[in-house]
Amino acid sequence: RKEVEQDPGPFNVPEGATVAFNCTYSNSASQSFFWYRQDCRKEPKLLMSVYSSGNEDGRFTAQLNRASQYISLLIRDSKLSDSATYLCVVNSRGGSYIPTFGRGTSLIVHP
Amino acid sequence: NAGVTQTPKFRVLKTGQSMTLLCAQDMNHEYMYWYRQDPGMGLRLIHYSVGEGTTAKGEVPDGYNVSRLKKQNFLLGLESAAPSQTSVYFCASSYYNSPLHFGNGTRLTVT
Repeated sequence: RKEVEQDPGPFNVPEGATVAFNCTYSNSASQSFFWYRQDCRKEPKLLMSVYSSGNEDGRFTAQLNRASQYISLLIRDSKLSDSATYLCVVNSRGGSYIPTFGRGTSLIVHP
Repeated sequence: NAGVTQTPKFRVLKTGQSMTLLCAQDMNHEYMYWYRQDPGMGLRLIHYSVGEGTTAKGEVPDGYNVSRLKKQNFLLGLESAAPSQTSVYFCASSYYNSPLHFGNGTRLTVT
């Protein structure tokens, strides 16, 4: 079982739709969680960190469920410009903090 | 503020040739990482460093070597390139458990 798993999609949604992605992780000692966005094999860019209490940034909401070991990303009122691959990243501590990436979920927003 | 700079951006090698990829960061980050990204595989960790003079193996270290002689630089070497090393390489840095900052990537083709 991969340490961090995501549904690769693609999720194909119309503009204005609400879409949600989940990401599961296997290491119960994981300490920090992030969502990144990646466009066309360019470098990933931080979308938002995920906090235990959940957090919101405009149209984006991230949640963490430690008991079930998953994080989620909700995008409301989807825009064409939201089309990208969304990467889930989990930091676990062995001796050091090692970020592990999911394979990404592809989102396509169409007119 | 340059952030993370990778050189070169593109390179074509013949099988058996060697090369070094350079990553430089100006944010005084302790942690630096080298990832490779292949279609359908997500980002996979090659090697990482938790401080000047230290390096450690990641998920896919075979065929690569690294050095971190100065805190701001992390070098990735390919001693004898193979077609299986054709990929996009990303360098990243972070302050301990904080989000990663990525370079623009190096697109390497080995023929």
